[in-house]
Amino acid sequence: AQSVTQPDIHITVSEGASLELRCNYSYGATPYLFWYVQSPGQGLQLLLKYFSGDTLVQGIKGFEAEFKRSQSSFNLRKPSVHWSDAAEYFCAVGNRDDKIIFGKGTRLHILP
Amino acid sequence: DVKVTQSSRYLVKRTGEKVFLECVQDMDHENMFWYRQDPGLGLRLIYFSYDVKMKEKGDIPEGYSVSREKKERFSLILESASTNQTSMYLCASSLPSGTGETQYFGPGTRLLVL
Repeated sequence: AQSVTQPDIHITVSEGASLELRCNYSYGATPYLFWYVQSPGQGLQLLLKYFSGDTLVQGIKGFEAEFKRSQSSFNLRKPSVHWSDAAEYFCAVGNRDDKIIFGKGTRLHILP
Repeated sequence: DVKVTQSSRYLVKRTGEKVFLECVQDMDHENMFWYRQDPGLGLRLIYFSYDVKMKEKGDIPEGYSVSREKKERFSLILESASTNQTSMYLCASSLPSGTGETQYFGPGTRLLVL
C-alpha cells in the first residue's frame, strides 16, 4: 500500500540557515509527489509537485525538492529560510484513483 | 485565481447536534474531498466525491455523511456530533486525471463539540 513517511515531527533552524525536510514514500509505480505548506490556522497551499522529467523541481517561495528513485525520497530544501517560513509542511504521494496520501507533517520553527 | 471556500472558520456545537459543513469551489472541478486534521495524525480522508451525487468512503467515514447535489458544492454532515469529532476539517477539490492531480484546499473549519 502507498504510504508517506516524514521522519521529523519538528525541526528548528535559525533564520538565514539552510533547510532540508525529509520525505520517504512507498509506491509501486512512478509516483506523483507533492509538498504542501500550511501556515497557522490556514488551509494547505501547494509548494511544488513532481510528475515526471527533471528530478529537481522548483517551487514557490524559493523552495525546491529532489526526487531520488533509488532512495524513495523527495526531500524539500531551501538555501536560506525566512521567519515567514515557519509553518507545517506536508509531503504527499498521488494515487491513480485521484486521491492523495499525506505524510503526518513536519512543523518548522525559525529562530531569530 | 482558484478558490475553495468553507462556510465557517470556527464552529462550536453541542453533543448530539446535527452539523453541516459547507464547501464551495469555483474551478469547475469534478473531484471534491473532505479531510479531518488532528495533531500528530496528519490529514485523514473522510469522503471523496468524483461527480455530482457520487461519493466514496475514505479512511474514516464513521459518524459522517456527505451530500453533493451541485458540482461546485460538497457538504459534510455530522448526524449527531460527538466530542471526538472536535477537529479541523479541510475541504479540497481537483480535476480528475487518474494520476493524483493537485488538490486545492479551503481555509478549514475548526469545529469544537462540547
